[in-house]
Amino acid sequence: AQRVTQPEKLLSVFKGAPVELKCNYSYSGSPELFWYVQYSRQRLQLLLRHISRESIKGFTADLNKGETSFHLKKPFAQEEDSAMYYCALWVMGNTPLVFGKGTRLSVIA
Amino acid sequence: KAGVTQTPRYLIKTRGQQVTLSCSPISGHRSVSWYQQTPGQGLQFLFEYFSETQRNKGNFPGRFSGRQFSNSRSEMNVSTLELGDSALYLCASSFGGTGELFFGEGSRLTVL
Repeated sequence: AQRVTQPEKLLSVFKGAPVELKCNYSYSGSPELFWYVQYSRQRLQLLLRHISRESIKGFTADLNKGETSFHLKKPFAQEEDSAMYYCALWVMGNTPLVFGKGTRLSVIA
Repeated sequence: KAGVTQTPRYLIKTRGQQVTLSCSPISGHRSVSWYQQTPGQGLQFLFEYFSETQRNKGNFPGRFSGRQFSNSRSEMNVSTLELGDSALYLCASSFGGTGELFFGEGSRLTVL
């Protein structure tokens, strides 16, 4: 079965510092990986997906199949980045989107 | 384009009661998924419906059930409520066959 692991429940960084939220997955095939974000009092929303290879709000994530990781990175954290971040995995076909338990990012001014 | 709408937003029940939550997906979306969100467990998948058929089911007891109507609106029901059922229940819709989900604001259930 697919599994997503986010080892950090809470990550605190200072404004302007680099950010890396870790995500590891277990699946032997070729999954699609996503990062979802939930800002305070807002609904959960898609931040980025690995197949798009985009940078959204300064965040990037690279799929490393060898390490089965999909870490989310940003070179300079901003206060508005404070939120709950969920890594998620999807396998093509009739399967549900599987989420990690999430990492709360707190950016300190 | 209206987003995913969930009702009610908040509700309080007592142990043993039952509850029904409703979800209206984005127009044109045929897939509706339900998740339970708690601080300790994160997002846990409950079930997914596509064109009125349950396509996937998570590892929850039979007290949790759902259905989807011909207009893609979905309901989930929890019977014989337990204290541990207190959570935020999220509904998400999509066209189906994708990991890109659009979430509602959730229904926050408190069981006393």
